[in-house]
Amino acid sequence: SQTIHQWPATLVQPVGSPLSLECTVEGTSNPNLYWYRQAAGRGLQLLFYSVGIGQISSEVPQNLSASRPQDRQFILSSKKLLLSDSGFYLCAWSVQETGNTIYFGEGSWLTVV
Amino acid sequence: LAKTTQPISMDSYEGQEVNITCSHNNIATNDYITWYQQFPSQGPRFIIQGYKTKVTNEVASLFIPADRKSSTLSLPRVSLSDTAVYYCLVGESRTGGFKTIFGAGTRLFVKA
Repeated sequence: SQTIHQWPATLVQPVGSPLSLECTVEGTSNPNLYWYRQAAGRGLQLLFYSVGIGQISSEVPQNLSASRPQDRQFILSSKKLLLSDSGFYLCAWSVQETGNTIYFGEGSWLTVV
Repeated sequence: LAKTTQPISMDSYEGQEVNITCSHNNIATNDYITWYQQFPSQGPRFIIQGYKTKVTNEVASLFIPADRKSSTLSLPRVSLSDTAVYYCLVGESRTGGFKTIFGAGTRLFVKA
């Protein structure tokens, strides 16, 4: 069966510090990968999606970047965090070209102080 | 991308049937309609998916009229544990990839 894991689950970072959130998917190959952000009490905002290694599409201009160094690995990064980067970050995957069921990871809570 | 519109919140009582309607006037021919459930501090979880007419699984039913411009998620006999945010999603499928946009969702409060 397929599984998705992301880490760390929780982190508190000072303004201006770097960020790295990592996500891996097991049990499938060539998945679509996504990073979403959810501010407290709000809906999900799509940040990045990837259809293959090294292929990243950004949905909103922001202080963040994403990379996909391996087929089932997706990394969310920032060189200098802003207060507005605080939120709940979710990694997700879907099977390419077979509908739109998306499977989410456990989420990572980021608080920028 | 097809935009969706849902009620912001709904209240219900245990044992009642809850119907949440979603509008998606610009749905494309190849789009499917999918509903997700999200509890606090967790990722959304797939509930049900359909293309037209009616779909039923062990958790819910999904009703889609012939014009597909709306859909209704039906939760039979809700319990307190059904308190969550429910998202209606109309997916876009592209060659070589897929992109999903979530709306604000509907906050369902189930009371005892």
